[in-house]
Amino acid sequence: DAKTTQPPSMDCAEGRAANLPCNHSTISGNEYVYWYRQIHSQGPQYIIHGLKNNETNEMASLIITEDRKSSTLILPHATLRDTAVYYCIVDNSGAGSYQLTFGKGTKLSVIP
Amino acid sequence: AAGVIQSPRHLIKEKRETATLKCYPIPRHDTVYWYQQGPGQDPQFLISFYEKMQSDKGSIPDRFSAQQFSDYHSELNMSSLELGDSALYFCASSHTTGGTYEQYFGPGTRLTVT
Repeated sequence: DAKTTQPPSMDCAEGRAANLPCNHSTISGNEYVYWYRQIHSQGPQYIIHGLKNNETNEMASLIITEDRKSSTLILPHATLRDTAVYYCIVDNSGAGSYQLTFGKGTKLSVIP
Repeated sequence: AAGVIQSPRHLIKEKRETATLKCYPIPRHDTVYWYQQGPGQDPQFLISFYEKMQSDKGSIPDRFSAQQFSDYHSELNMSSLELGDSALYFCASSHTTGGTYEQYFGPGTRLTVT
């Protein structure tokens, strides 16, 4: 699986958009970009995933660059409950891999 | 909506004892995954099962074994427990046959080995 690079920590003011970047320069054509988050000691939570097109759901938006070497997760209106560690994971489950490889992630702190 | 159920939520064992952790996936999910998260660490993949067959294997110690039963629930059996096995153990499930691979995690079992 391709490796990912994320900033170790970020702060965001409550009510503002949180933009979390991820570099995945070695991503291959059949690998998806997945985002999960983990609120302290809870089970990781699936947020969103994409292959090449931008995606949006009720939780977030995912912007993938045209060359697919980087992506940005956008939480449009961050709340205190969004404080968590956010993991960007490149996953080739479609090719038969059945595991997620968690990196260090970005610790997002939403500030009142 | 139904979520992944794990039991027990907390477990305290002594060194060299055995432990069994149980996982009940979301209904109609056919794939189960086990992860271990040590203190201050990120989750590490242990093993997964698709349609009751082992599908992938990660850094699972030989002292651990797991299986998925006919009703799709899964059990992680841990023997000769060591202090270093103290961790959060998460189970996740997905509906792989449906072509979606996002994993839904349970609340975890906190294992403490003394």
